[in-house]
Amino acid sequence: ENVLTQSPGTLSLSPGERATLSCRASQSVSSSYLAWYQQKPGQAPRLLIYDASTRATGIPDRFSGSGSGTDYTLTISRLEPEDFAVYYCQQYGTSYTFGQGTKLEIK
Amino acid sequence: QVHLQESGPGLVRPSETLSLSCTVSSFSITSDYYWAWIRQPPGKGLEWVGTINHSGGPFYNPSLNTRATISVDTARNQFSLRLTSVTVADSGVYFCAREVDDDGFDIWGRGTMVSVSS
Repeated sequence: ENVLTQSPGTLSLSPGERATLSCRASQSVSSSYLAWYQQKPGQAPRLLIYDASTRATGIPDRFSGSGSGTDYTLTISRLEPEDFAVYYCQQYGTSYTFGQGTKLEIK
Repeated sequence: QVHLQESGPGLVRPSETLSLSCTVSSFSITSDYYWAWIRQPPGKGLEWVGTINHSGGPFYNPSLNTRATISVDTARNQFSLRLTSVTVADSGVYFCAREVDDDGFDIWGRGTMVSVSS
């Protein structure tokens, strides 16, 4: 099983700041098949990024993904109030696994 | 607009079978996409349960130890999950989702809460 470890567990920032979220895999992710999701309380997750760096339909360009091999990053360039949520990475290169999540909270 | 809606009982007794359905609207389930179940225990993260395609699969999370069965009903444009011998650890919100081939889960249902309790 390819275990994904996200850091930090909680990130406290202010609107307008830049957020950098990390996802590290225990094994190289095949073909960089890695996605990022945003989840708000009581809602289903929303796909933000797939294939490590491709924005999903309708996702603002302040969200960007990068990385390869075992290390991946989600960057939110300038935080908007609606961006405060929990973020999950997920690999689909070998079966499917999710990271444990990073909570992005307002400072 | 593609819409997924989960349905099923909210309470299941320990050792019994959990049965859920996902109705897909405005999109044919026989199209070349994959259909998945993902669950989330209360206050915890996401766990993939299994995936099916009308022409392949299903594929399951090995941690479920063969307890899960996913099937497709093309006449009703639905896919379903059966999970046998449930325990309290199987409680949580169950989501159905569409997977674009190698492009992540792009459409999700709102989720349905299932509690396992006597």
